[in-house]
Amino acid sequence: LAKTTQPISMDSYEGQEVNITCSHNNIATNDYITWYQQFPSQGPRFIIQGYKTKVTNEVASLFIPADRKSSTLSLPRVSLSDTAVYYCLVGEGNFNKFYFGSGTKLNVKP
Amino acid sequence: SAVISQKPSRDICQRGTSLTIQCQVDSQVTMMFWYRQQPGQSLTLIATANQGSEATYESGFVIDKFPISRPNLTFSTLTVSNMSPEDSSIYLCSLGTGGSNEQFFGPGTRLTVL
Repeated sequence: LAKTTQPISMDSYEGQEVNITCSHNNIATNDYITWYQQFPSQGPRFIIQGYKTKVTNEVASLFIPADRKSSTLSLPRVSLSDTAVYYCLVGEGNFNKFYFGSGTKLNVKP
Repeated sequence: SAVISQKPSRDICQRGTSLTIQCQVDSQVTMMFWYRQQPGQSLTLIATANQGSEATYESGFVIDKFPISRPNLTFSTLTVSNMSPEDSSIYLCSLGTGGSNEQFFGPGTRLTVL
């Protein structure tokens, strides 16, 4: 079962690019890497998912090196509304053994 | 994306009682999950709610304490039985889309046990 390690918290300022790195040293061949965002008093929201190299969507980019033992969520030009907890998860597709780690609390300052 | 509702949104209960939380989805889904999130903590998967069969529980969670029903593809309930203050938490249901790890979460039920 692949565990993930993330920084507990990060601070940033509005307009900056934020990179949150997740370590998953024992990721399995069939595992995908998925990131979620959670605001206070809400359920988590899917941000992005990838298997290898780079994935980009309208809100974030996900960088995965060749060995897949880590991944980096990149949020371009953050705003105050990006203040949230960000979770990195690894697991097979279709939710086979899919668990939330401790998450990174991102605090965006004006 | 699917619309997910949970009832109640919050409740305050006495120890020793039970509370049933409902999760309603506006479309038919195969995979539904129940999570617990204690204050300031991450989410812990309680069980997978399987339609037409018994739920699959994670380590540390048992059916007697957290019975789950899944009578159809749009509805599930989680009961927190014989509650104690340690059960005070947010309980969330979610649904999964096949072939990926994208889940959609309900708004959660905030439970306080006195």
